[in-house]
Amino acid sequence: GDSVTQTEGPVTVSESESLIINCTYSATSIAYPNLFWYVRYPGEGLQLLLKVITAGQKGSSRGFEATYNKETTSFHLQKASVQESDSAVYYCALGYGNEKITFGAGTKLTIKP
Amino acid sequence: DPKIIQKPKYLVAVTGSEKILICEQYLGHNAMYWYRQSAKKPLEFMFSYSYQKLMDNQTASSRFQPQSSKKNHLDLQITALKPDDSATYFCASRGTISNERLFFGHGTKLSVL
Repeated sequence: GDSVTQTEGPVTVSESESLIINCTYSATSIAYPNLFWYVRYPGEGLQLLLKVITAGQKGSSRGFEATYNKETTSFHLQKASVQESDSAVYYCALGYGNEKITFGAGTKLTIKP
Repeated sequence: DPKIIQKPKYLVAVTGSEKILICEQYLGHNAMYWYRQSAKKPLEFMFSYSYQKLMDNQTASSRFQPQSSKKNHLDLQITALKPDDSATYFCASRGTISNERLFFGHGTKLSVL
């Protein structure tokens, strides 16, 4: 079946430094999947951070960016300068239309002030 | 206010017992899901329902039974509990537009002793 592999946490980064959380996927369908990053802030439920449904495109939200690379089957999450409020668990995921979404294990990110 | 309510937030059970995890959503969605996450493992899809009918079941064990008494409810009954069932269980929902994002509850953390 489909699978998603992402940077194993926990990851600690100092405030204002750059961040990259790696994500690669394996999809069984011949169709290109939709790719997502979800985030779970402390005390909250998972919520969508960004999504890209077209290969080669970039998605962005709250200063985070991820580019859909179908050649390397990757969707790495990057931010140029992190803030303490970015501390959360980040999940990479893939899906097709309204079928189930397949998630990675999550990467716990802690930002040091 | 959370739009997807899961109860209880924490649950401790003894091996062999039976528990019901509650999920109610107030987003007007017709599709509801259950996911599970154990330590260090991916967030794992379990079930999806649409208009109160089972659409997809990726759970091998019949000990896990979803129950939909109302359109906006999808409870999860777990019988003959085992320590391996210890995990955080997340309920989610979404609308019927293609590629629409999932909305998640805060989860129920189940510990089986």
